[in-house]
Amino acid sequence: NAGVTQTPKFRVLKTGQSMTLLCAQDMNHEYMYWYRQDPGMGLRLIHYSVGEGTTAKGEVPDGYNVSRLNKREFSLRLESAAPSQTSVYFCASSLRDPHEQYFGPGTRLTVT
Amino acid sequence: GQNIDQPTEMTATEGAIVQINCTYQTSGFNGLFWYQQHAGEAPTFLSYNVLDGLEEKGRFSSFLSRSKGYSYLLLKELQMKDSASYLCALMDSNYQLIWGAGTKLIIKP
Repeated sequence: NAGVTQTPKFRVLKTGQSMTLLCAQDMNHEYMYWYRQDPGMGLRLIHYSVGEGTTAKGEVPDGYNVSRLNKREFSLRLESAAPSQTSVYFCASSLRDPHEQYFGPGTRLTVT
Repeated sequence: GQNIDQPTEMTATEGAIVQINCTYQTSGFNGLFWYQQHAGEAPTFLSYNVLDGLEEKGRFSSFLSRSKGYSYLLLKELQMKDSASYLCALMDSNYQLIWGAGTKLIIKP
């Protein structure tokens, strides 16, 4: 039982490049989330999904697209990376709301 | 709008007790969470309060007063491994979590 996994763990991109972050959970959770965490700030919700085939915008969705590929997997895509997207990205999942969220180990992304 | 405040950093001594406060303002409320985050790691769930009062879980307790917009996390018998950031998060009327910036707790021997 791996919980929530994320790939990659680290990545360096040049401005304008694209990439996809992958998240998978094996806990049969309905809800999945993408957050970013920046120094001195709280976690901020980018996009989330309340079930297979659904996605919704969070607090800071601009510049990001998501896909809920199936119940297990939720991807986050940066089409044209910008230095302001340098951050640590966490995926999380929960059984339902309100309920505790389980987090993946994070992806450390640097955009130069 | 919504706002969450918690101290940026606190220092305590091994074996002692520490209380980490969190105050919030919100128009909708569906509970308050506390998470622990060690440096370079993911947040992990500690507690959830939706009704007023104290919830105790081993060495950790969490308190909520909805009328005052106030919560605290109480850590007893502090251990060096408790050195971490403690994140307060409010679940709003849309069931989205609004996170505080976290309190970095430093434990000294």
